[in-house]
Amino acid sequence: GQQLNQSPQSMFIQEGEDVSMNCTSSSIFNTWLWYKQDPGEGPVLLIALYKAGELTSNGRLTAQFGITRKDSFLNISASIPSDVGIYFCSGGSNYKLTFGKGTLLTVNP
Amino acid sequence: NAGVMQNPRHLVRRRGQEARLRCSPMKGHSHVYWYRQLPEEGLKFMVYLQKENIIDESGMPKERFSAEFPKEGPSILRIQQVVRGDSAAYFCASSPDRVLGEQFFGPGTRLTVL
Repeated sequence: GQQLNQSPQSMFIQEGEDVSMNCTSSSIFNTWLWYKQDPGEGPVLLIALYKAGELTSNGRLTAQFGITRKDSFLNISASIPSDVGIYFCSGGSNYKLTFGKGTLLTVNP
Repeated sequence: NAGVMQNPRHLVRRRGQEARLRCSPMKGHSHVYWYRQLPEEGLKFMVYLQKENIIDESGMPKERFSAEFPKEGPSILRIQQVVRGDSAAYFCASSPDRVLGEQFFGPGTRLTVL
């Protein structure tokens, strides 16, 4: 089956720093979606990408859909304490989403 | 516009009992998806349903698990004769359109099997 490699597994940064995480796959996806999950809650959609090469921003978040359609990255600029959580990438083929294992982000005030 | 609703949020069952998990999609969404999440793992696709139809159940175990999305009422994920390995968080997502790919998730049901 399709698999996503998400890195890094965890990050511990200082407030104000920029963060970058990425996902790679051996399979091609039609969409890339980035979600954030807080403890005990469901994933919340942050950014959706639909075309190869697309670069999309949502506030301090920026994500790109790789040209090869096999990878994507998410950047968070000027991190704040409420950015803490687990970030998941997911690749979409029609209706089925394949998720990475997540990046645990800790922000030190 | 309420989001995806799931209940119960927490469910405890003993081995051999049945678990019923309910999901009400966002208003206007006719596509429902169920995912399972084990601790420190990503979500794994289980099943995709539209009203009264199962479109893809390739991610669902062949035995003991079933899902439905009736014409009226919520979608139900049913697990019969639960075992300890069924303990996980089960998430439901909905979308207005299967093509665009955006799925919006509910808060999940945490199932614990004793």
